[in-house]
Amino acid sequence: QSALTQPASVSESPGQSITISCTGTSSDVGSSNLVSWYQQHPGKAPKLIIHDVSKRPSGVSNRFSGSKSGNAASLTISGLQAEDEADYYCCSYVTSSTSWLFGGGTKLTVL
Amino acid sequence: QVQLVQSGAEVKKPGASVKVSCKPSGNTFTSYYIHWVRQAPGQGLEWMGIINPSGGSTTYAQKFQGRVTMTRDTSTSTIYMEMSSLRYDDTAVYYCASGTYYDADYWGQGTLVTVSS
Repeated sequence: QSALTQPASVSESPGQSITISCTGTSSDVGSSNLVSWYQQHPGKAPKLIIHDVSKRPSGVSNRFSGSKSGNAASLTISGLQAEDEADYYCCSYVTSSTSWLFGGGTKLTVL
Repeated sequence: QVQLVQSGAEVKKPGASVKVSCKPSGNTFTSYYIHWVRQAPGQGLEWMGIINPSGGSTTYAQKFQGRVTMTRDTSTSTIYMEMSSLRYDDTAVYYCASGTYYDADYWGQGTLVTVSS
């Protein structure tokens, strides 16, 4: 199964908003509301920032939000800060194989 | 808060096996599923599989079936991931992560496995 499709890189200025897309198929992203997003800083373990498409774990800033439409999910980060500069990965549960499928990752640069 | 402590870095020859451990803190051993995710140098995340520490049931990604075994030792509250027939492209940081079946909110520090002759 191919990885979910994310843009390789995005960039935006501090204070602005940015949206990262994650495109899958009807077999993964489109088959359930079990899409999550992870943030990873260089040399660090990933951190869960969104689960179940749009839910934020306790302690995650409300500047992070998620949504989904059909076979595509999105992560929006508002009020960009320097600390948001990281790699972001979407991940979908695949019902047919009871497995996870990650996106290729998006490198966010805060200019 | 769950903490996951993984074993140290390993260097293995091609064809060998490696066994990485993951120990959840406190009394959380049977409370959460444990996922294994790897990341090759400069590459993205790759899900390998999941184990339910409570009963030991496992699900592996198709890519790793037959080469990966996830087990748990209830006496020491430790989870293990063993990979056999190592290849050069298995060089990666291997993470364990705990959570629900569908996402993981606590991650280990990662274990670097280097496959080199």
